[in-house]
Amino acid sequence: QKEVEQNSGPLSVPEGAIASLNCTYSDRGSQSFFWYRQYSGKSPELIMSIYSNGDKEDGRFTAQLNKASQYVSLLIRDSQPSDSATYLCAVNRVTGGGNKLTFGTGTQLKVEL
Amino acid sequence: GAVVSQHPSWVICKSGTSVKIECRSLDFQATTMFWYRQFPKQSLMLMATSNEGSKATYEQGVEKDKFLINHASLTLSTLTVTSAHPEDSSFYICSARYRPYEQYFGPGTRLTVT
Repeated sequence: QKEVEQNSGPLSVPEGAIASLNCTYSDRGSQSFFWYRQYSGKSPELIMSIYSNGDKEDGRFTAQLNKASQYVSLLIRDSQPSDSATYLCAVNRVTGGGNKLTFGTGTQLKVEL
Repeated sequence: GAVVSQHPSWVICKSGTSVKIECRSLDFQATTMFWYRQFPKQSLMLMATSNEGSKATYEQGVEKDKFLINHASLTLSTLTVTSAHPEDSSFYICSARYRPYEQYFGPGTRLTVT
């Protein structure tokens, strides 16, 4: 089982729709969760962080966390073509070497006109 | 806030030469920085954790003598790829820890070894 799993996609949604991106993780002791957006050929950009069960909203983005189910999701409302990118789920793990982020392989989102 | 720069943005070098990549936190102090490598259509792979004033911690399978990391100040970490070979060609990205667990990434360095 991978430590952080995401559907690779592509996930295609029409402009203006809600895009729903999902992520599961294996380490039940994980406490911090992040969503990064990565455009092709660019480095990742942090868009959301969530630490507690429930929803966290920031503009058009809502992150949802369910630690019991080991599940994190990202909703993007009113999707725009500029949202087309790969979305990486990252989970912070505490190891002997300190705190590290483990990334999923990413979900490619395509917002179509 | 939380801006990380990287230099150079791209570099081409000949096989057998060494290349140094710099990573700087511009508006905050970063006691911990990270170095990642990303091959085309693959996810980020953590290479090493760089702590200011101490030796870097390398991930399993990463050759510490080939990828030299120096974190000499609270705003600068460097990665030197020694005796580079074509298989080292990749997208190298640094990040810096800003808050307890958040990481902000630099723009990346695309290395091509011919």
